[in-house]
Amino acid sequence: DAKTTQPTSMDCAEGRAANLPCNHSTISGNEYVYWYRQIHSQGPQYIIHGLKNNETNEMASLIITEDRKSSTLILPHATLRDTAVYYCIVSNFGNEKLTFGTGTRLTIIP
Amino acid sequence: EPEVTQTPSHQVTQMGQEVILRCVPISNHLYFYWYRQILGQKVEFLVSFYNNEISEKSEIFDDQFSVERPDGSNFTLKIRSTKLEDSAMYFCASSDGAVHLFFGEGSRLTVL
Repeated sequence: DAKTTQPTSMDCAEGRAANLPCNHSTISGNEYVYWYRQIHSQGPQYIIHGLKNNETNEMASLIITEDRKSSTLILPHATLRDTAVYYCIVSNFGNEKLTFGTGTRLTIIP
Repeated sequence: EPEVTQTPSHQVTQMGQEVILRCVPISNHLYFYWYRQILGQKVEFLVSFYNNEISEKSEIFDDQFSVERPDGSNFTLKIRSTKLEDSAMYFCASSDGAVHLFFGEGSRLTVL
């Protein structure tokens, strides 16, 4: 699986949009970008995934650059409950042997 | 929303003892997984299980580990002779093979 690079930590004000970047410059053509998050020590929670088109669901939006070498997860109106570690993972579709990195620790500030 | 449930939430055991961690995956899922997270470290893949057999395992998953689906609902992880370094959060996950994994809340194992 391709490796990803994420900032170690970020802060965002409550109610604002949180934009979490991820670099995956070695992504291959059949690999998807997945985002999971882990709140405190709970189990990871799926957020969103995409191949090359931008995606949106009830939790977030995913913007993937045209060259697919980077992406941004957007939480449109961050709440205190969004404080978590966010993992960007590149993997083949259906390959659930996920390789977690260290992620980005997002802190939402009241 | 359907969820993966795990028991126990926390288990304390003595080194050398056997431990069984239990998981009830989402009912229509066919793919099952165990991951672990040592305190302060990354979430690591241990094993995947499909059609009553291991489909993939990591280097961590050595002979002291085993998995089983003893009935139609449970999925277990057994550690035969626990070591201090087995202390971790163990996460069960399941999938229908389509999109993504659903993780349980984890079982914290403390080996003394």
